[in-house]
Amino acid sequence: AQSVTQLDSHVSVSEGTPVLLRCNYSSSYSPSLFWYVQHPNKGLQLLLKYTSAATLVKGINGFEAEFKKSETSFHLTKPSAHMSDAAEYFCVVSKRGNQFYFGTGTSLTVIP
Amino acid sequence: GAVVSQHPSWVICKSGTSVKIECRSLDFQATTMFWYRQFPKQSLMLMATSNEGSKATYEQGVEKDKFLINHASLTLSTLTVTSAHPEDSSFYICSAGLEWETQYFGPGTRLLVL
Repeated sequence: AQSVTQLDSHVSVSEGTPVLLRCNYSSSYSPSLFWYVQHPNKGLQLLLKYTSAATLVKGINGFEAEFKKSETSFHLTKPSAHMSDAAEYFCVVSKRGNQFYFGTGTSLTVIP
Repeated sequence: GAVVSQHPSWVICKSGTSVKIECRSLDFQATTMFWYRQFPKQSLMLMATSNEGSKATYEQGVEKDKFLINHASLTLSTLTVTSAHPEDSSFYICSAGLEWETQYFGPGTRLLVL
């Protein structure tokens, strides 16, 4: 079975400081992992994806994530938070290539 | 990138009526689309897999007679909430894939059942 656990339901950071959103996964086989962002009342936007290529994945808007098999983690990071980064972030694991299972989400607040 | 649209974006209906939500892939063909449901401040829950030309596959606990899915063409899937009740009020989101393991999500449809 596939699942993801987002360890923090809410994260607050000051503008200009680093962002860390944590995600752990469980999968019966080599997983594909994704991070999506959802701004209020908006649809989901793909930030980045890991599909068994490079373990350090770079995404849009300065975000990146590192796949660590030994730790079953896929944490999302950004060196410097921007006000526009405030949103809900979802870690996702895929099954059969296109069935997605979402984590519970992490709400990111950026303090000016 | 690929674009997925949904219509309507907002719908309010009376209890007992049926509501149809459309999901379209605008610039690509999708043999498979997915329907999700999201309650306020909660995550997305996969409801069903919509397969073009065949029956949808429903996740455990999702009533197939309540949530009718039709995938009549390679660019259109519809979700019909039949005999809607207030507890069906939610945010419904569809997705479609352009390439392997990349899903593009629609903007969502907010349903309010009075």
